[in-house]
Amino acid sequence: NAGVTQTPKFQVLKTGQSMTLQCAQDMNHEYMSWYRQDPGMGLRLIHYSVGAGITDQGEVPNGYNVSRSTTEDFPLRLLSAAPSQTSVYFCATSPWGSSGYTFGSGTRLTVV
Amino acid sequence: GQQVMQIPQYQHVQEGEDFTTYCNSSTTLSNIQWYKQRPGGHPVFLIQLVKSGEVKKQKRLTFQFGEAKKNSSLHITATQTTDVGTYFCAGNSGGSNYKLTFGKGTLLTVNP
Repeated sequence: NAGVTQTPKFQVLKTGQSMTLQCAQDMNHEYMSWYRQDPGMGLRLIHYSVGAGITDQGEVPNGYNVSRSTTEDFPLRLLSAAPSQTSVYFCATSPWGSSGYTFGSGTRLTVV
Repeated sequence: GQQVMQIPQYQHVQEGEDFTTYCNSSTTLSNIQWYKQRPGGHPVFLIQLVKSGEVKKQKRLTFQFGEAKKNSSLHITATQTTDVGTYFCAGNSGGSNYKLTFGKGTLLTVNP
């Protein structure tokens, strides 16, 4: 079992470009979420999903879109990248929202 | 919104000394979770506490959940160099089990 797989591991974007961060899990977890981690800010919730076809906003959703067409995949889309979106992005899953999370290894994104 | 505060921000100890990090929430929590993140790594789930006054131990680590379910602590006895990393607490409030709010973490460094 791979657990939670995030791709790519590193990415450099130019301001205004768009891209999709991928997250795939093979644990049949219903709950999936995206966090961003910035120095001194801890982990902040961007979007989450409690099952296929259901998504909702977290603390910092602006500039990001998500969809959940399958249980396994939860991609995060940056519509028009901005330098403020330079961060490390983590996908996290759990069997249900209130149990311990399994994190992916992260995507380090730099927007120039 | 819900806030989770963690102190201290940094702690440097000599190997063999004890270490404690404290977590306080602005709201009553339905549960609290603790994570460890090694430098350059991703958060790894350590434990979840659910009951008021609960105490759990994992080898040299002791976790406590306050009676009012608004505070928690993690105590490490006789630190080792393998304990180096950032320790995060994270809580769900009763309003939403799907929005886990993280503290900003305590970075522990251990001098051998």
